Amino acid sequence: QVQLVESGGGVVQPGGSLRLSCAASGFIFSSSGMHWVRQAPGKGLEWVAFIRYDGSIRYFADFVQGRFTLSRDNSKNTLSLEMVSLRPEDTAVYYCAKDNPQDYFLDNWGQGTLVTVST
Amino acid sequence: ETEMTQSPATLSVSPGERATLSCRASQSVGTNLAWYQQKPGQGPRLLIYGASTRATGIPDRFSGSGSGTEFTLTIRSLRSEDSAAYHCQQYNFWPLTFGGGSKVEIE
Repeated sequence: QVQLVESGGGVVQPGGSLRLSCAASGFIFSSSGMHWVRQAPGKGLEWVAFIRYDGSIRYFADFVQGRFTLSRDNSKNTLSLEMVSLRPEDTAVYYCAKDNPQDYFLDNWGQGTLVTVST
Repeated sequence: ETEMTQSPATLSVSPGERATLSCRASQSVGTNLAWYQQKPGQGPRLLIYGASTRATGIPDRFSGSGSGTEFTLTIRSLRSEDSAAYHCQQYNFWPLTFGGGSKVEIE
């Protein structure tokens, strides 16, 4: 079955950097678009970014403002999110999710990794 | 950006009864609307896409309806395991946007 396992979360100071990873299995990763979605404590879901199956297209939420870099390694079934200039408002659980081939809804999600931006 | 508004924020329902959740879009999204269920400490699970199509393995107690700007998720014959947060998401426009979520509590 589809498995998505996020890692790399932790505590970082404002202005700091962090790299999140998502290990995928149970499906043809190289044929699937992938998303990152985040959820601040006690809040709703917020879409962060999307990358096409071949990495040729990327979309980001406006709040990213050039601070995040999204990449994938189809040979290792891995998705990465590099985050710099982190702000306290970036504090959230970050989920990776698989894009459905029919359209841009998310048909499988990981368990998430917590990012805390604080002094 | 397409704003998604969900109501109510919290709904308390007795087992066996029906729960009706609403999701409103700030502009028409056609039927490009999905619903997700999220239990505490877990990632969301896809329930409905295309406004009314159940995802694989979702029981027919869950049903979705609506188009344009008004959508509804109905859960019949509520069970204790349905206690969760429910989120709607539009995928007609970039950026993808979610509603704020509705929490269903089983009395």
